[in-house]
Amino acid sequence: GENVEQHPSTLSVQEGDSAVIKCTYSDSASNYFPWYKQELGKRPQLIIDIRSNVGEKKDQRIAVTLNKTAKHFSLHITETQPEDSAVYFCAAMGGNQFYFGTGTSLTVIP
Amino acid sequence: DAGITQSPRHKVTETGTPVTLRCHQTENHRYMYWYRQDPGHGLRLIHYSYGVKDTDKGEVSDGYSVSRSKTEDFLLTLESATSSQTSVYFCAISGGRYEKQINYEQYFGPGTRLTVT
Repeated sequence: GENVEQHPSTLSVQEGDSAVIKCTYSDSASNYFPWYKQELGKRPQLIIDIRSNVGEKKDQRIAVTLNKTAKHFSLHITETQPEDSAVYFCAAMGGNQFYFGTGTSLTVIP
Repeated sequence: DAGITQSPRHKVTETGTPVTLRCHQTENHRYMYWYRQDPGHGLRLIHYSYGVKDTDKGEVSDGYSVSRSKTEDFLLTLESATSSQTSVYFCAISGGRYEKQINYEQYFGPGTRLTVT
């Protein structure tokens, strides 16, 4: 089955700086890659996604890039704010199943 | 929050007892999933359903069974709960509202915190 690895596991940035989280996947058949934000005690919330026929997608301060050849995709958050502090999960969809990374705990320091 | 509810939200049970968790959706989405979330492991798929009475195993299915008799309900049963099944369980849905529309977006329920003593 698919194997998704996510790095780093923890990330601290100063407010206003950028944050980058990277994921790799193993199954070249995976074709959809969402990112989720989870605040403490809450459900994961979809924040952005990308399909395999697209290389980059942007939504305000958040962007995702996909390199199919290298089998990796990344989340970029610019101009970080304290409310961006949360755990972020990447995922890859193969067939009907979603495979998740182990999460990155992002702390934005005011 | 995408019309997904889970019940109960919290449960404490004893080792060896059966437990059933319920997921209910009002979105008419085709796919429903059960995940468990544990520190250091992220979200791991237990079982999923691709239609009424159509289910399949995920990566951590041992000790769990599921049933889906209606589009809106997906039940997860722990036949004989063990302490290793103490976890937070999330239900999720995806698949859009129309058969011809391919919508991969997955939305999560609020979660059930299960403690097995």
